[in-house]
Amino acid sequence: DAGVTQSPTHLIKTRGQHVTLRCSPISGHKSVSWYQQVLGQGPQFIFQYYEKEERGRGNFPDRFSARQFPNYSSELNVNALLLGDSALYLCASSLTPPQGAQYFGPGTRLTVT
Amino acid sequence: AQSVTQPDIHITVSEGASLELRCNYSYGATPYLFWYVQSPGQGLQLLLKYFSGDTLVQGIKGFEAEFKRSQSSFNLRKPSVHWSDAAEYFCAVGGAGGTSYGKLTFGQGTILTVHP
Repeated sequence: DAGVTQSPTHLIKTRGQHVTLRCSPISGHKSVSWYQQVLGQGPQFIFQYYEKEERGRGNFPDRFSARQFPNYSSELNVNALLLGDSALYLCASSLTPPQGAQYFGPGTRLTVT
Repeated sequence: AQSVTQPDIHITVSEGASLELRCNYSYGATPYLFWYVQSPGQGLQLLLKYFSGDTLVQGIKGFEAEFKRSQSSFNLRKPSVHWSDAAEYFCAVGGAGGTSYGKLTFGQGTILTVHP
């Protein structure tokens, strides 16, 4: 069975630009969560979606937004990029939120110059 | 608010030696607890999880963890470490209510180095 997939793998953007990251969950999983992992730190929770509705939100500015599609895939959008947005962005899917185990994809490495 | 502390930033062990990675959590209700492993530049792989029931949890790759409510701890153990276990290990606690729905709060991680 395919795991969580994310695209693109790597991305380089300039300050002020906008970026869209994509995630496909494990087949049958209806919940997707997004995390930001800055080098040397643990992942930080950004959003959680279940059945196409936002169910949880972390402490991130409004420049960050997300949505979930009818096929349960998800997009994370970040506007007006800052240097501090450079990080590994991880997507995770879960079968039974909120207590279900979350299975992570390989991540998208975003570099903002 | 939920939080996780991993007191050891870096641990070095010899191959074949036993391992214990420490994790302390803060959470207002019965916690959902997880251990993940991350190799450099990779995503996180789930090692094991605790939801309820037996406080000693078995995971993949020969790892186990013990939930101790009185100590707010969920330490990860392995009786004999292999060189391939070298990686960074994260403990996480899961949330269930309000804006914490589905939120995993991670510790800072423990980097494990294995000497031959």
